[in-house]
Formats: sequence, structure tokens, C-alpha cells
Amino acid sequence: AQSVTQLDSQVPVFEEAPVELRCNYSSSVSVYLFWYVQYPNQGLQLLLKYLSGSTLVESINGFEAEFNKSQTSFHLRKPSVHISDTAEYFCAVSGFSGGYNKLIFGAGTRLAVHP
Amino acid sequence: NAGVTQTPKFRILKIGQSMTLQCTQDMNHNYMYWYRQDPGMGLKLIYYSVGAGITDKGEVPNGYNVSRSTTEDFPLRLELAAPSQTSVYFCASENWTGNTGELFFGEGSRLTVL
Repeated sequence: AQSVTQLDSQVPVFEEAPVELRCNYSSSVSVYLFWYVQYPNQGLQLLLKYLSGSTLVESINGFEAEFNKSQTSFHLRKPSVHISDTAEYFCAVSGFSGGYNKLIFGAGTRLAVHP
Repeated sequence: NAGVTQTPKFRILKIGQSMTLQCTQDMNHNYMYWYRQDPGMGLKLIYYSVGAGITDKGEVPNGYNVSRSTTEDFPLRLELAAPSQTSVYFCASENWTGNTGELFFGEGSRLTVL
């Protein structure tokens, strides 16, 4: 069975500072990894994903994540955050289980960017 | 392009009442999901469906039922509401074609059971 652990429930940071949101996963099978973002009072939307190929994946708004198989991690990073990045971020792992594809979410990390 | 539409957005129920949360998608996606989101707990899968006429339990199915009579609709029914079902419910859909894709979420339905 797959599982996801997000190591920080809240991350406060000042605007223009770098940030890293940590995610570790466990799985006995090959996995696909995702980061979703949830802005206040909205549903989740996909930020970026790792399916195969290059272990470094990027989003259109400057976030990146690196798949590290040996450390079973998929940390999310941004070199300089903006106020508009304030949101909750969910790491997720997907894999076949019981004959169907399932997505398992972490508990979420609330990123608060302060001026 | 509506995507995934959930109704109602807010609802207050009394203990023991029943209700149905509606979910419809216009993207012809085969997979649909219901999640509940509780503070500090992330999203927990309640039920999912891989196509019309096929549903299965997720992690936390007790107290809920679903049906999938059409590709577009995936309603979630609460038969006897309990305070433990106070939560935000999200419906999602996915066009799964053998390689995992992207889930599209509705805006959520906030349910309070008093």
C-alpha cells in the first residue's frame, strides 16, 4: 500500500525568500507523484507531476520538485515566493492497488507568505 | 467549460437527516471520486468509480453511498447524518487511460451536521 508523509503542517516565510515543502512516500510498486495546490475556498488543482523521465519537474509558476527514489522523497521548492503563493499544498502518490489506480494524499502543508 | 460542478456549496443538517451531494462533470472522464477534507488530515477517499455502473469503496466509506448511472454524474448520499460527517466534500474526475493523469476537482461542498 502507498502512503505519503508531509513533514511540515505549516511553513511561514517572508516574500522573496526561498521555500521547501517536504514530502516522503512509501510504496511497494512503481509510483507516480504529484503536488496539488489549494487556494482559499477552492478545490485542489494540479501544480506538477512526476510520471517518468527527468527526475526534476517544474510548474509554470516557478515551483519545482525532484523525485529521489533512494530517499523516497518528492520535495517541492521555489527560489523566491510571492504573496500569491499563500495556499495549502498537498503531496500525493498514485499507484495500482486492488485492480484500480488510486491517488493517496498527504495531510497538507499550509504555506503562509508574509510581506 | 464547466469542468466539475458540485451542489450545494453549503448545507447544514440535523442529526439523522439524509441528503445527497450532487456532482457532475462535462469532460467525459471515466474515473470519478469523492473525497472528504478535514483540518490537518488531508483528503480521504470515500468512494470512487471507474465508469458508469461501477463503484467501489475507498478509505472511509461508512455512512455514505454512491451511484454512477451515467458517465457525467456521481452523487454521494448520506443516509443518517452524524456530527462526524461534518466536513468539506470534494468531487473529482480523471481521464485515466492506462497512465495516471490529472484529477480535476470541484469547488467543494461544506457540510455541517448539528
